[in-house]
Order: sequence, then C-alpha cells, then structure tokens
Amino acid sequence: GAGVSQSPSNKVTEKGKDVELRCDPISGHTALYWYRQSLGQGLEFLIYFQGNSAPDKSGLPSDRFSAERTGGSVSTLTIQRTQQEDSAVYLCASSLYRGSGNTIYFGEGSWLTVV
Amino acid sequence: QKEVEQNSGPLSVPEGAIASLNCTYSDRGSQSFFWYRQYSGKSPELIMSIYSNGDKEDGRFTAQLNKASQYVSLLIRDSQPSDSATYLCAVISQDTGRRALTFGSGTRLQVQP
Repeated sequence: GAGVSQSPSNKVTEKGKDVELRCDPISGHTALYWYRQSLGQGLEFLIYFQGNSAPDKSGLPSDRFSAERTGGSVSTLTIQRTQQEDSAVYLCASSLYRGSGNTIYFGEGSWLTVV
Repeated sequence: QKEVEQNSGPLSVPEGAIASLNCTYSDRGSQSFFWYRQYSGKSPELIMSIYSNGDKEDGRFTAQLNKASQYVSLLIRDSQPSDSATYLCAVISQDTGRRALTFGSGTRLQVQP
C-alpha cells in the first residue's frame, strides 16, 4: 500500500479482555516498529523488527504484551488481560532499512480504550 | 537522565517570527537525528533529518546539530498558525544498538495570529 496501515483505528474493550492490533507496513520496508503514546505524552518504544533478525523487545512493558511479524510483512501486537493503564494510541511505523539513514513513516494509529 | 530531553512548552510565538525548538540527548555515539511534527490526534510526520554537524535547511525549516554539545535544534522561520503542533525530537542511539528511534516528550508550539 501507499502508507502504513493499521487496524482497528479505534477499539474499546473491557478490562481483562485480550486485544489484537494489526499493522501492514509500506511494501518493501524491512524494519517495523511499535510505539505507544498515552494522552499528552511522548512516544514510548515497544518493539522493533528488522528482517529475519530477532526482534528487539526491550520496550515491552510487561509479559502481557507480545508481538509477531509473519512473513516479514504484517505485524500483530497482542495485549492480554488488558488493564486501564493500557489505554493509549498504538502507533506502528516502518522504514526501508539503510543503517543510520533510515526514514521512519508512521501509520495513523490504533486508539485503544480499556473500560 | 532521559535519553532525549525537550522542554514541553508551550512555546508561544507571534505569526511571522522565528520559532526555536531545542533538544538534548545523552548518548554521545548517536549518529541520526530527526524532527517530527504531530498535530493533535494525528500521527507524527517527519520534517527533517540531520546526520552531520552544522545546519541543514529545507524551506522554512533549519535543523542544527552540535554533537560536541549533544544538542539538536529546529528553527522555523516566518512561523504560521498552521505550524502550531507538538514537535518531537528523535534520535537513533548507538549505545543500545537499537535501530528504532528514541523520542523526546515533545515541545508544543503555539503560533499566535
């Protein structure tokens, strides 16, 4: 596609339920990132995928959070047993990896509200 | 110490003035620096990238990098009300080996008509 596509754009879920957020990166981009942004806050790094390398999971806040990337393209971020503090916009981004010169493009985000 | 620090603002400037946004970073080995603009309720969009010491100009925007001082800034000339947004500084930190961007918390800019 022309840009990074995320779904759903909005999700309201009950506390304790699991949610899945999907990201379809720009075609040909080998690097994929997930960030989280709470209301009025900066972007918090969650996880980074680069090609076939092991993902950098150092930003995942707890073991309730996991992500996978199938076939080097689409990625799914899963949050188990959601809590109210998980409410945020989850932003996916991708880049054509060029070492330090990569440009990262963001999707429109998935707005998650846990009630 | 945060890896990337910005003054949260708001920074208020009159229309037509120069807006100066500043950012400091902790990893001396960082090589790549970016400025993103984020309108309320929208995702960040890239404005400028800079990799070498000095100035880089693109239209009304100038990015300035000083690696010795671990300082990067963004100047917006002839500021317009449409420039009102949050400006995010981002760095690729070599220390962590992570290729993902580390963001500052952003500076909110208000351009007064």
